[in-house]
Amino acid sequence: EAQVTQNPRYLITVTGKKLTVTCSQNMNHEYMSWYRQDPGLGLRQIYYSMNVEVTDKGDVPEGYKVSRKEKRNFPLILESPSPNQTSLYFCASKTTGGDFQETQYFGPGTRLLVL
Amino acid sequence: SQQGEEDPQALSIQEGENATMNCSYKTSINNLQWYRQNSGRGLVHLILIRSNEREKHSGRLRVTLDTSKKSSSLLITASRAADTASYFCATAAFSGNTPLVFGKGTRLSVIA
Repeated sequence: EAQVTQNPRYLITVTGKKLTVTCSQNMNHEYMSWYRQDPGLGLRQIYYSMNVEVTDKGDVPEGYKVSRKEKRNFPLILESPSPNQTSLYFCASKTTGGDFQETQYFGPGTRLLVL
Repeated sequence: SQQGEEDPQALSIQEGENATMNCSYKTSINNLQWYRQNSGRGLVHLILIRSNEREKHSGRLRVTLDTSKKSSSLLITASRAADTASYFCATAAFSGNTPLVFGKGTRLSVIA
């Protein structure tokens, strides 16, 4: 089944404790992206990657890191989480060719609480 | 930022009625997409309309695009309780490898 998976789905942590949220897709998509969703603010892009070893900042990259060492994986790293990073996080991917090159496929979300 | 703005923020209708949501954006686009999100879940792509198209249909969905007004509308006909969700428009400045910019969404409630 074609899908984007994220782990963990729920996470409670404390300020300053490094964490990684994993994202994996099995559709051989070149493009991957991370968003955060907050009430009243909609979805805001954190980072995106157009291909392996190519990453770019989105609208709200501060406090986050990403890496793209393999095509299928795009982990989101919070080196020193703070309470304002409490949010619902989504990973997404899309292909860059064919009729569906514009459609993004979303993971189920990771709900993060930073105390 | 060319973030889209949906209108209204929230909409409540009776089952069987039509629901119309609007989206406005600020800069030129290649395409505009509508996504649906059930509470707390990932977004699901509904329909895409390109800048050279004016109207598109998919099942009970009808999307229009007016590039001169930089606006789009999503019409859901004969709504069902299962249509209850948040709906987001997203714009892409160019085709292919470009970020999508999402609006803040319209929360639709369909009452049985």
